[in-house]
Amino acid sequence: EPEVTQTPSHQVTQMGQEVILRCVPISNHLYFYWYRQILGQKVEFLVSFYNNEISEKSEIFDDQFSVERPDGSNFTLKIRSTKLEDSAMYFCASMGEVNTEAFFGQGTRLTVV
Amino acid sequence: AQSVTQPDIHITVSEGASLELRCNYSYGATPYLFWYVQSPGQGLQLLLKYFSGDTLVQGIKGFEAEFKRSQSSFNLRKPSVHWSDAAEYFCAVGLKTSYDKVIFGPGTSLSVIP
Repeated sequence: EPEVTQTPSHQVTQMGQEVILRCVPISNHLYFYWYRQILGQKVEFLVSFYNNEISEKSEIFDDQFSVERPDGSNFTLKIRSTKLEDSAMYFCASMGEVNTEAFFGQGTRLTVV
Repeated sequence: AQSVTQPDIHITVSEGASLELRCNYSYGATPYLFWYVQSPGQGLQLLLKYFSGDTLVQGIKGFEAEFKRSQSSFNLRKPSVHWSDAAEYFCAVGLKTSYDKVIFGPGTSLSVIP
């Protein structure tokens, strides 16, 4: 069964460093998302991406965040200068077409120290 | 604004007992509805979904959920809980915009006692 793959599963980074979280969506999917879950809290929408551009972003997704689909298969989330409060589980998701379900990856746990 | 509420932060049930987890949503139209389960340190697994049609939907692991439009609810049920069902359960709403983002509820933590 096709699945969304995220790497790494866990990343530790120092405050102020740049970090890139990587996702390989399901191959024929067209809509891509990043979500965040701070420990013990609910899952929050960050950004959606379609047709090589951001279609929607939340208030959380400030100038420190960016997304990219560099090669037609990967979908990345970059945090330019990490803060302690960026520590969270980050989930990538992809969807084939509208009015269907999104499939979530297993997440990357980011720890900023 | 769209929102999802799960009134119960934490529920404890005995193994073999029945379970109902509550979910209410606020949205201008009938959304898509989902229940996800998350074991500690793990990702999100889809239990079931409602898009249209029969308001009682069956999912994996013996779960079912019923959509009640009049109550804006989508409660999750299981007739007999197993110890392995202990996890965090998230109700979620898929918004019928062009890009179908998902809004998650705060989650209900389920503990199962032998």
